[in-house]
Amino acid sequence: DQQVKQNSPSLSVQEGRISILNCDYTNSMFDYFLWYKKYPAEGPTFLISISSIKDKNEDGRFTVFLNKSAKHLSLHIVPSQPGDSAVYFCAATGGFGNEKLTFGTGTRLTIIP
Amino acid sequence: DSGVTQTPKHLITATGQRVTLRCSPRSGDLSVYWYQQSLDQGLQFLIQYYNGEERAKGNILERFSAQQFPDLHSELNLSSLELGDSALYFCASSAGGGADYGYTFGSGTRLTVV
Repeated sequence: DQQVKQNSPSLSVQEGRISILNCDYTNSMFDYFLWYKKYPAEGPTFLISISSIKDKNEDGRFTVFLNKSAKHLSLHIVPSQPGDSAVYFCAATGGFGNEKLTFGTGTRLTIIP
Repeated sequence: DSGVTQTPKHLITATGQRVTLRCSPRSGDLSVYWYQQSLDQGLQFLIQYYNGEERAKGNILERFSAQQFPDLHSELNLSSLELGDSALYFCASSAGGGADYGYTFGSGTRLTVV
């Protein structure tokens, strides 16, 4: 049962344009969502997170949007840079007492110079 | 350096063998989580320890076990290894008590079973 889904295995975007990565979840008990970036042979690196009480969180070039009614979140990267090429994982957690992260399968983002 | 240290980085072993993966959490973090990433898959949660006690269990096989020691480092033991156990094994740590404290991942141990 895949509780967190990233339906696009890959995405290619021109440098300088907006990258939009999508994530859907099924478990309504999730109340905190995170995006991680992963390079080959390295561990995931935290990018940005959002609590279920918010619908938007911004950090520099990265913005995460949460639509609770649709159980959908998205990560926007503007402008996209070549160094953004990596695999991006969406993850969700139920907070205190249920702290484990449930990950999606990832989206490989390629920024085209 | 994320502050979470995993050893060894690479491990090649034969089927039927037993291995131990080690994780030292970030200083001050009480929770340790173990994840498995098989080829082209997401990270699957295996088990969590908090301050020496098992706190949550995922789809961890009975051949696998883990523990967290008084100094908070953790070990993941994999026994009777099969070819399908070949994967990246990641450890993460957090202060514990919820997502607001953040999770930091180590760089992983790549296990190859031949």
